[in-house]
Amino acid sequence: SQQGEEDPQALSIQEGENATMNCSYKTSINNLQWYRQNSGRGLVHLILIRSNEREKHSGRLRVTLDTSKKSSSLLITASRAADTASYFCATEGGNTPLVFGKGTRLSVIA
Amino acid sequence: KAGVTQTPRYLIKTRGQQVTLSCSPISGHRSVSWYQQTPGQGLQFLFEYFSETQRNKGNFPGRFSGRQFSNSRSEMNVSTLELGDSALYLCASSFGWEETQYFGPGTRLLVL
Repeated sequence: SQQGEEDPQALSIQEGENATMNCSYKTSINNLQWYRQNSGRGLVHLILIRSNEREKHSGRLRVTLDTSKKSSSLLITASRAADTASYFCATEGGNTPLVFGKGTRLSVIA
Repeated sequence: KAGVTQTPRYLIKTRGQQVTLSCSPISGHRSVSWYQQTPGQGLQFLFEYFSETQRNKGNFPGRFSGRQFSNSRSEMNVSTLELGDSALYLCASSFGWEETQYFGPGTRLLVL
């Protein structure tokens, strides 16, 4: 069963705009990870944020984690057409495997 | 460093047959996990191996099995295939617990 729930399910923006995706989860976690998947191919790891961290940056990506609200957000700044993909959050607890949400489909229109 | 490789990339089988999928992790990684991805159920965890031992298993029937070899390569087997087993099967490797998992390109299985 899914632990993470991404919101929105689909997002369409213009190139250059920022894209924000949210993830909520139900149980306590040790870390939360974001992945990108292009059209039914393998997942590409974007960023891992541990439960004692509140914010992390990687290039144009910014991830926040609020463990009190059991939620995370992924911000992609200055989006490009190449950012078009599905984005998944995945949570990892103690001695449990990664549990994925159903993803957000992002379309960036040139 | 070479990434995770999976073979074959595409496979077509008929109901009742069995299939074996292979995964070679990134060099030095000892943990290998398998996931099934379908449009309806999304990404679901199958099992995880670490140093040849199954450390976790998802909620799948016994027709789904796996193993890991001493060189960390892993195989998963699905016996008595059903139409619903059609999916993208993804393998991921990592150094260990709570470390970044790196995914292979997947094996797309179609059961007719």
